[in-house]
Amino acid sequence: DTGVSQDPRHKITKRGQNVTFRCDPISEHNRLYWYRQTLGQGPEFLTYFQNEAQLEKSRLLSNRFSAERPKGSFSTLEIQRTEQGDSAMYLCASSFYGQPQHFGDGTRLSIL
Amino acid sequence: GQQLNQSPQSMFIQEGEDVSMNCTSSSIFNTWLWYKQDPGEGPVLLIALYKAGELTSNGRLTAQFGITRKDSFLNISASIPSDVGIYFCAGPINTGTASKLTFGTGTRLQVTL
Repeated sequence: DTGVSQDPRHKITKRGQNVTFRCDPISEHNRLYWYRQTLGQGPEFLTYFQNEAQLEKSRLLSNRFSAERPKGSFSTLEIQRTEQGDSAMYLCASSFYGQPQHFGDGTRLSIL
Repeated sequence: GQQLNQSPQSMFIQEGEDVSMNCTSSSIFNTWLWYKQDPGEGPVLLIALYKAGELTSNGRLTAQFGITRKDSFLNISASIPSDVGIYFCAGPINTGTASKLTFGTGTRLQVTL
């Protein structure tokens, strides 16, 4: 069991730039989730995939955010025209139907 | 927003002491999860609870699913320095087939020698 893998671990970028993060879930897991965590808070749900279908998006996910899971395996989360308020830890989790979610170590995004 | 309240927010204890923390909700949950998060890392699942009244142990950790289904408790016995971290409770909000998690505000545990 290699766990959930996220890349990169850290990303520093200037305001207005686009960024993309990747998540590789645990191989047999069919569900994949993205969360955002700011300092001192618990993770907050952003979006969720079952296989390749994106089934739910939070209101936190503005139109600058897009997520894909094209083949039902890895997923990408893209943020366009980044803003200061996008600075956070972006966490990916995966699960098999009905089982608890397991998290990766996240991508920490810092906007200059 | 967050629906789960955790207490205490933080605690300092001495190595060897037992620790208790709880999580309360205004809504009923059918599953309670407890995670631990170390700095710079993702949350790690500690215990999952699926039934009201259930008491489950994982080594020195014991968690209980409250009878009302609106609370849960986590106990750590004989704390050691590596218990330091932030403990989060979480519960799934079922909407259709989705089980997105809502997390508590966290309990920060610091252990002194």
